[in-house]
Amino acid sequence: EIVLTQSPATLSLSPGERATLSCRASQSVSSYLAWYQQKPGQAPRLLIYDASNRATGIPARFSGSGSGTDFTLTISSLEPEDFAVYYCQQRSNWPTFGPGTKVDIK
Amino acid sequence: QVQLQESGPGLVKPSQTLSLTCTVSGGSISSGSYYWSWIRQPAGKGLEWIGRIYTSGSTNYNPSLKSRVTISVDTSKNQFSLKLSSVTAADTAVYYCARERRGFLGYWGQGTLVTVSS
Repeated sequence: EIVLTQSPATLSLSPGERATLSCRASQSVSSYLAWYQQKPGQAPRLLIYDASNRATGIPARFSGSGSGTDFTLTISSLEPEDFAVYYCQQRSNWPTFGPGTKVDIK
Repeated sequence: QVQLQESGPGLVKPSQTLSLTCTVSGGSISSGSYYWSWIRQPAGKGLEWIGRIYTSGSTNYNPSLKSRVTISVDTSKNQFSLKLSSVTAADTAVYYCARERRGFLGYWGQGTLVTVSS
């Protein structure tokens, strides 16, 4: 099983600041990594797939990078609606998710 | 725009079988190269992929749950279903259905809470 770890567990930032979230895989997943955003009481929403491709309708302030075992989700300037939990997910063998990073308001 | 909606009992007794159905609207479940998946999330915790089915009937399951899971599809009703047997309190969670393409989950249902309790 490929295990994903995410850091930090919590990121406290102010609106307008840049957010950098990390995801590390226990073995290479090539570029087969996605990022999801989840707000309380809602289903996750796909933001990024194949490490760096934005899903339909996702604002350009969200960007993804990385390959192999190390990946980054960057939110260039936080909007009020971006405060949420973010999960990474890999698709090799079977899908597994990271434990999540909570981005909260400082 | 495809939409998914989970339905089923919100309360299941220990040792019994949890049964949920996902109804797909806004498109045919048989069209396109999609898998149809189930994911769950215990309260305050992370996401766990349960399994998926292709419209041909081909299935894949999470190895940790494989012995207890059955996913099926009914293309005539545009639905797919989840059965999880021998449930315990550890199976209490919000259960989501989702459309999966190339291993990524692009469309999700709103989720349904299933509590395992006597």
